[in-house]
Amino acid sequence: DTEVTQTPKHLVMGMTNKKSLKCEQHMGHRAMYWYKQKAKKPPELMFVYSYEKLSINESVPSRFSPECPNSSLLNLHLHALQPEDSALYLCASSPGLNTGELFFGEGSRLTVL
Amino acid sequence: GIQVEQSPPDLILQEGANSTLRCNFSDSVNNLQWFHQNPWGQLINLFYIPSGTKQNGRLSATTVATERYSLLYISSSQTTDSGVYFCAVGGSGGGADGLTFGKGTHLIIQP
Repeated sequence: DTEVTQTPKHLVMGMTNKKSLKCEQHMGHRAMYWYKQKAKKPPELMFVYSYEKLSINESVPSRFSPECPNSSLLNLHLHALQPEDSALYLCASSPGLNTGELFFGEGSRLTVL
Repeated sequence: GIQVEQSPPDLILQEGANSTLRCNFSDSVNNLQWFHQNPWGQLINLFYIPSGTKQNGRLSATTVATERYSLLYISSSQTTDSGVYFCAVGGSGGGADGLTFGKGTHLIIQP
């Protein structure tokens, strides 16, 4: 089963709200990723977890807070976002850090009002 | 970091035509993937191809790692092939930097 599941698929939030994006995989992968994609642009890496430890934080603002409760789950906590944070947020997983085929979820489309 | 260039940026073809998409990268890689992003935003895996040649139906891909490029071939195009095709690479330098995406080729197949 090569599937990464993301919820919610759509999210609208105000700048003072706190919300979370969730991601789950059951492929036994040990690396999980959050990417951000703006319209007509390629995905950009935000965070990488390897064996449930944060490996990379690509200088992402602190209003985005990742969490990896276990090897199958990845969350992205959102707080005090700005309208320019509106984007498609993509979760992905791979067998190891930067190793093997990367599989993406369907994405969570976020709109910040 | 590694640079990825895709060409052409845009391509409009009639149904039934063949096409070749190119991906050039600036350094040695241990991971190269081709994705198709559909209109709903989902990234669909086409090929995991850090080297060599693979075929899957009407699609095939070739990566020549020593010359730092990869090609994606689409034959007998269908309207459902429309979308954005991304090449993404991971460097072999040992850095933990995930996959770097090219800017993509926007393909439109007209009936």
